[in-house]
Amino acid sequence: AQTVTQSQPEMSVQEAETVTLSCTYDTSENNYYLFWYKQPPSRQMILVIRQEAYKQQNATENRFSVNFQKAAKSFSLKISDSQLGDTAMYFCAFVPPGAGSYQLTFGKGTKLSVIP
Amino acid sequence: DSGVTQTPKHLITATGQRVTLRCSPRSGDLSVYWYQQSLDQGLQFLIQYYNGEERAKGNILERFSAQQFPDLHSELNLSSLELGDSALYFCASSVEPGSHYEQYFGPGTRLTVT
Repeated sequence: AQTVTQSQPEMSVQEAETVTLSCTYDTSENNYYLFWYKQPPSRQMILVIRQEAYKQQNATENRFSVNFQKAAKSFSLKISDSQLGDTAMYFCAFVPPGAGSYQLTFGKGTKLSVIP
Repeated sequence: DSGVTQTPKHLITATGQRVTLRCSPRSGDLSVYWYQQSLDQGLQFLIQYYNGEERAKGNILERFSAQQFPDLHSELNLSSLELGDSALYFCASSVEPGSHYEQYFGPGTRLTVT
């Protein structure tokens, strides 16, 4: 069974600073997709960034970037120039397309607080 | 706005009752997923439908069932409700194949069982 582990239940960062959220996963699949979702206080789940396992280049979306280490099964999220609106729960998620269905397996989440 | 709609936003009901949660996927998306978010279990996959057919089941209780209609909207039926069923229920949709497996979530339905 695939598992996703986020070892940091809570983190805080000063506004305009950089923060990195950790995620590790366990799978025997070779091809898969990884995602970071953001859940602000409104509870809406918002897709932040996506990484395909077959791509060596790390994904980047504006202030958000990932550090994908396939051999280590690690997928961390870096948020640069943190803004108050980044305050949210962040969930790492995994999809192994080869399994025949594409449901997301989520980690427990990291609660990020951006401090003014 | 993800384009996925869910109704109702909030639902308060008593133990033993039955409720129906509704989801309309993004235009063009054929797959609908249901997830449950609770404090103790986190985010868990319940069930997936693709173009009207059940594709996968996760940790869904026998008291729960779902279906996807010809217009692609989906309903999640929860019966014989217990206090532990109180949770946030999300619907997500995606277009497959070739979608990079991105799922877009609705705003959720907050279910409170008293």
